[in-house]
Amino acid sequence: SQTIHQWPATLVQPVGSPLSLECTVEGTSNPNLYWYRQAAGRGLQLLFYSVGIGQISSEVPQNLSASRPQDRQFILSSKKLLLSDSGFYLCAWKAGDWNTEAFFGQGTRLTVV
Amino acid sequence: AQKVTQAQTEISVVEKEDVTLDCVYETRDTTYYLFWYKQPPSGELVFLIRRNSFDEQNEISGRYSWNFQKSTSSFNFTITASQVVDSAVYFCALKNSGNTPLVFGKGTRLSVIA
Repeated sequence: SQTIHQWPATLVQPVGSPLSLECTVEGTSNPNLYWYRQAAGRGLQLLFYSVGIGQISSEVPQNLSASRPQDRQFILSSKKLLLSDSGFYLCAWKAGDWNTEAFFGQGTRLTVV
Repeated sequence: AQKVTQAQTEISVVEKEDVTLDCVYETRDTTYYLFWYKQPPSGELVFLIRRNSFDEQNEISGRYSWNFQKSTSSFNFTITASQVVDSAVYFCALKNSGNTPLVFGKGTRLSVIA
């Protein structure tokens, strides 16, 4: 069966520090991968999605970036965090067939102080 | 362009009441998929249902039912005889054909009071 791992679960980082959140999927190949952010009390905002290694689509211009160095690995990064980067970050995967549902990781709660 | 609107930000009901969560979508594609997810306090999103644009049959799963109407671009979700464990944020989502992303509404926070 397929599983998705996302870590860390919680993170407190000072303003201006770098960020690296990692997401890996097991039990499938060539998944579509997504990073979403959920600000406190708000909906889900799509940040990045990837349909293959090295292929990243950015939905929102910001100081975050994403990379997909391997088929089942998706990394969210920042060189310098802002206070506004605080939120709940969710990684998701779905099968390459476009008519299937997405499955989500357990999320990372990031607080920038 | 894709858009999902969940006009109800928060709903509060008393246990055993029925409640309907509204979802209205916009898309130019004729082939698309609609989804509902539940986000309990733990934060992880739990998949509930997927419907494709060619299947307007309503679906029932236990206390949950979904009403898909293309004429009004709506995909509403009803919980019958609500329970405290139903308390969560519920998201409606839309995906067009091809390699396009899953787009979510802003969610509806449902509180079921004992």
